[in-house]
Amino acid sequence: GQNIDQPTEMTATEGAIVQINCTYQTSGFNGLFWYQQHAGEAPTFLSYNVLDGLEEKGRFSSFLSRSKGYSYLLLKELQMKDSASYLCAVRDHNAGNMLTFGGGTRLMVKP
Amino acid sequence: DTAVSQTPKYLVTQMGNDKSIKCEQNLGHDTMYWYKQDSKKFLKIMFSYNNKELIINETVPNRFSPKSPDKAHLNLHINSLELGDSAVYFCASSPKPGTVYEQYFGPGTRLTVT
Repeated sequence: GQNIDQPTEMTATEGAIVQINCTYQTSGFNGLFWYQQHAGEAPTFLSYNVLDGLEEKGRFSSFLSRSKGYSYLLLKELQMKDSASYLCAVRDHNAGNMLTFGGGTRLMVKP
Repeated sequence: DTAVSQTPKYLVTQMGNDKSIKCEQNLGHDTMYWYKQDSKKFLKIMFSYNNKELIINETVPNRFSPKSPDKAHLNLHINSLELGDSAVYFCASSPKPGTVYEQYFGPGTRLTVT
Protein backbone atom coordinates (compact mmCIF):
# COMPACT_ATOMS: atom_id res chain seq x y z
CA GLY A 1 0.00 0.00 0.00
CA GLN A 2 0.91 3.63 -0.09
CA ASN A 3 0.71 6.41 2.46
CA ILE A 4 0.80 10.02 1.39
CA ASP A 5 0.66 12.76 3.98
CA GLN A 6 0.31 16.48 3.54
CA PRO A 7 -1.03 19.21 5.81
CA THR A 8 -4.77 19.72 5.62
CA GLU A 9 -4.76 23.51 5.55
CA MET A 10 -2.34 26.40 5.27
CA THR A 11 -2.76 30.16 5.26
CA ALA A 12 -0.38 32.68 3.72
CA THR A 13 -0.30 36.33 2.78
CA GLU A 14 -0.44 37.75 -0.71
CA GLY A 15 3.07 38.34 -2.05
CA ALA A 16 4.68 35.88 0.36
CA ILE A 17 6.26 32.46 -0.18
CA VAL A 18 4.67 29.22 1.02
CA GLN A 19 6.00 25.67 1.10
CA ILE A 20 3.62 22.72 1.07
CA ASN A 21 5.19 19.46 2.21
CA CYS A 22 4.34 15.92 1.18
CA THR A 23 5.72 12.69 2.58
CA TYR A 24 5.08 9.31 1.05
CA GLN A 25 5.75 5.62 1.44
CA THR A 26 5.61 3.43 -1.63
CA SER A 27 7.14 0.17 -2.77
CA GLY A 28 7.73 1.03 -6.43
CA PHE A 29 8.21 4.77 -6.71
CA ASN A 30 7.88 5.99 -10.29
CA GLY A 31 7.33 9.72 -10.03
CA LEU A 32 5.60 12.36 -7.96
CA PHE A 33 3.10 14.88 -9.27
CA TRP A 34 1.63 18.07 -7.87
CA TYR A 35 -1.83 19.19 -8.97
CA GLN A 36 -3.83 22.33 -8.23
CA GLN A 37 -7.58 22.10 -7.69
CA HIS A 38 -9.81 25.14 -7.30
CA ALA A 39 -13.10 24.58 -5.51
CA GLY A 40 -15.63 22.89 -7.75
CA GLU A 41 -13.15 22.39 -10.57
CA ALA A 42 -10.96 19.62 -11.94
CA PRO A 43 -7.35 19.12 -10.84
CA THR A 44 -4.78 20.67 -13.15
CA PHE A 45 -1.16 19.59 -13.47
CA LEU A 46 1.55 21.74 -11.87
CA SER A 47 4.76 19.74 -11.73
CA TYR A 48 6.45 16.36 -11.96
CA ASN A 49 9.56 14.98 -10.22
CA VAL A 50 11.12 11.57 -10.67
CA LEU A 51 14.76 12.37 -9.84
CA ASP A 52 16.06 14.10 -6.74
CA GLY A 53 16.28 17.84 -6.85
CA LEU A 54 14.36 20.96 -7.65
CA GLU A 55 12.16 21.58 -10.69
CA GLU A 56 11.31 25.21 -11.29
CA LYS A 57 8.43 26.48 -13.36
CA GLY A 58 7.72 30.17 -13.02
CA ARG A 59 6.41 31.02 -9.58
CA PHE A 60 6.08 27.34 -8.70
CA SER A 61 8.90 24.92 -7.83
CA SER A 62 8.83 21.33 -6.66
CA PHE A 63 11.50 19.41 -4.81
CA LEU A 64 11.99 15.68 -4.39
CA SER A 65 14.14 13.52 -2.11
CA ARG A 66 13.54 9.87 -2.88
CA SER A 67 15.68 8.61 0.00
CA LYS A 68 13.56 10.58 2.45
CA GLY A 69 10.22 9.97 0.73
CA TYR A 70 9.70 13.71 0.75
CA SER A 71 8.60 16.41 -1.63
CA TYR A 72 7.56 20.01 -1.35
CA LEU A 73 5.80 22.51 -3.56
CA LEU A 74 7.07 26.07 -3.26
CA LEU A 75 4.83 28.93 -4.33
CA LYS A 76 6.43 32.37 -4.65
CA GLU A 77 4.88 35.82 -4.95
CA LEU A 78 1.54 34.49 -3.84
CA GLN A 79 -1.55 35.81 -5.55
CA MET A 80 -5.15 35.63 -4.41
CA LYS A 81 -5.91 33.26 -7.29
CA ASP A 82 -3.46 30.75 -5.76
CA SER A 83 -6.09 29.98 -3.12
CA ALA A 84 -6.87 26.34 -3.93
CA SER A 85 -6.16 22.79 -2.86
CA TYR A 86 -2.77 21.35 -3.77
CA LEU A 87 -2.66 17.62 -4.30
CA CYS A 88 0.46 15.50 -4.03
CA ALA A 89 0.27 12.24 -6.02
CA VAL A 90 2.69 9.33 -6.28
CA ARG A 91 2.92 6.85 -9.13
CA ASP A 92 3.84 3.29 -8.27
CA HIS A 93 4.99 0.82 -10.91
CA ASN A 94 3.92 -1.99 -8.59
CA ALA A 95 0.37 -0.66 -8.82
CA GLY A 96 0.05 -0.53 -12.57
CA ASN A 97 1.57 2.95 -12.61
CA MET A 98 -1.64 4.37 -11.26
CA LEU A 99 -1.55 7.56 -9.23
CA THR A 100 -2.32 7.63 -5.52
CA PHE A 101 -3.27 11.06 -4.26
CA GLY A 102 -2.80 12.59 -0.85
CA GLY A 103 -5.72 14.30 0.83
CA GLY A 104 -4.68 17.68 -0.49
CA THR A 105 -3.61 20.88 1.23
CA ARG A 106 -6.12 23.70 1.17
CA LEU A 107 -4.22 26.96 0.81
CA MET A 108 -5.89 30.23 1.68
CA VAL A 109 -4.15 33.39 0.51
CA LYS A 110 -5.12 36.51 2.43
CA PRO A 111 -4.57 40.14 1.43
CA ASP B 1 -12.40 22.14 -28.22
CA THR B 2 -12.64 20.64 -24.73
CA ALA B 3 -9.86 18.11 -24.12
CA VAL B 4 -11.66 15.78 -21.68
CA SER B 5 -15.41 16.06 -21.38
CA GLN B 6 -17.92 14.31 -19.14
CA THR B 7 -21.70 14.08 -19.13
CA PRO B 8 -23.73 14.75 -17.19
CA LYS B 9 -22.21 17.40 -14.96
CA TYR B 10 -24.78 16.74 -12.24
CA LEU B 11 -26.69 13.52 -11.58
CA VAL B 12 -29.28 13.05 -8.85
CA THR B 13 -30.83 9.61 -8.50
CA GLN B 14 -32.34 7.23 -5.99
CA MET B 15 -30.81 4.28 -4.24
CA GLY B 16 -30.99 1.05 -6.17
CA ASN B 17 -30.97 2.69 -9.60
CA ASP B 18 -28.44 1.99 -12.35
CA LYS B 19 -26.70 4.95 -13.98
CA SER B 20 -23.92 5.75 -16.42
CA ILE B 21 -21.47 8.60 -16.76
CA LYS B 22 -19.86 9.26 -20.11
CA CYS B 23 -16.35 10.46 -20.80
CA GLU B 24 -14.68 11.46 -24.03
CA GLN B 25 -11.19 12.75 -24.79
CA ASN B 26 -10.09 14.33 -28.06
CA LEU B 27 -6.38 14.36 -27.23
CA GLY B 28 -5.53 11.08 -28.91
CA HIS B 29 -4.40 9.65 -25.58
CA ASP B 30 -3.92 5.93 -25.06
CA THR B 31 -4.96 5.65 -21.43
CA MET B 32 -8.08 6.77 -19.58
CA TYR B 33 -8.96 6.74 -15.90
CA TRP B 34 -11.85 7.12 -13.51
CA TYR B 35 -11.43 8.74 -10.10
CA LYS B 36 -13.81 9.26 -7.19
CA GLN B 37 -13.51 12.33 -4.97
CA ASP B 38 -15.52 12.06 -1.78
CA SER B 39 -16.79 14.77 0.55
CA LYS B 40 -13.43 14.90 2.32
CA LYS B 41 -11.79 15.71 -1.02
CA PHE B 42 -9.79 12.50 -1.22
CA LEU B 43 -9.21 11.70 -4.88
CA LYS B 44 -9.03 7.93 -5.38
CA ILE B 45 -8.25 6.00 -8.54
CA MET B 46 -10.92 3.54 -9.58
CA PHE B 47 -9.80 2.26 -12.96
CA SER B 48 -6.99 2.65 -15.43
CA TYR B 49 -7.70 1.49 -18.98
CA ASN B 50 -6.03 1.42 -22.36
CA ASN B 51 -6.70 -0.68 -25.41
CA LYS B 52 -4.81 -3.57 -23.95
CA GLU B 53 -5.28 -3.56 -20.25
CA LEU B 54 -7.80 -2.77 -17.55
CA ILE B 55 -6.39 -2.17 -14.10
CA ILE B 56 -8.91 -2.12 -11.31
CA ASN B 57 -8.37 -0.68 -7.87
CA GLU B 58 -9.19 -3.67 -5.69
CA THR B 59 -11.22 -1.53 -3.30
CA VAL B 60 -13.79 -0.66 -5.99
CA PRO B 61 -17.06 -2.62 -5.64
CA ASN B 62 -17.98 -4.74 -8.63
CA ARG B 63 -21.14 -2.63 -9.00
CA PHE B 64 -18.84 -0.23 -10.85
CA SER B 65 -17.73 -1.18 -14.33
CA PRO B 66 -15.92 0.74 -17.06
CA LYS B 67 -16.99 0.36 -20.68
CA SER B 68 -14.84 1.54 -23.57
CA PRO B 69 -16.49 1.53 -27.00
CA ASP B 70 -13.32 2.98 -28.51
CA LYS B 71 -10.01 4.58 -27.55
CA ALA B 72 -11.53 8.04 -27.08
CA HIS B 73 -14.33 6.99 -24.72
CA LEU B 74 -14.49 5.43 -21.29
CA ASN B 75 -17.91 5.29 -19.68
CA LEU B 76 -18.62 4.38 -16.08
CA HIS B 77 -21.60 2.18 -15.26
CA ILE B 78 -22.85 1.93 -11.71
CA ASN B 79 -25.40 -0.67 -10.69
CA SER B 80 -27.60 -0.68 -7.58
CA LEU B 81 -26.54 2.76 -6.43
CA GLU B 82 -25.94 3.28 -2.72
CA LEU B 83 -25.85 6.42 -0.58
CA GLY B 84 -22.09 6.07 -0.20
CA ASP B 85 -21.65 6.40 -3.95
CA SER B 86 -22.42 10.11 -3.67
CA ALA B 87 -19.26 11.90 -4.75
CA VAL B 88 -17.67 13.75 -7.64
CA TYR B 89 -16.41 11.41 -10.34
CA PHE B 90 -13.55 12.59 -12.54
CA CYS B 91 -12.45 11.10 -15.81
CA ALA B 92 -8.84 11.64 -16.91
CA SER B 93 -6.53 10.66 -19.75
CA SER B 94 -2.81 10.50 -20.47
CA PRO B 95 -0.73 9.68 -23.56
CA LYS B 96 0.78 6.43 -22.39
CA PRO B 97 0.73 4.47 -19.16
CA GLY B 98 3.72 4.92 -16.90
CA THR B 99 5.27 7.77 -18.80
CA VAL B 100 6.24 11.20 -17.58
CA TYR B 101 3.13 12.66 -19.10
CA GLU B 102 0.63 14.11 -16.71
CA GLN B 103 -3.04 13.22 -16.64
CA TYR B 104 -5.65 15.61 -17.96
CA PHE B 105 -8.87 15.69 -15.97
CA GLY B 106 -12.43 16.23 -17.10
CA PRO B 107 -14.70 18.72 -15.32
CA GLY B 108 -16.23 16.10 -13.05
CA THR B 109 -19.71 14.66 -12.52
CA ARG B 110 -21.35 15.34 -9.17
CA LEU B 111 -23.43 12.28 -8.29
CA THR B 112 -25.98 12.54 -5.50
CA VAL B 113 -27.78 9.40 -4.38
CA THR B 114 -30.90 9.95 -2.29
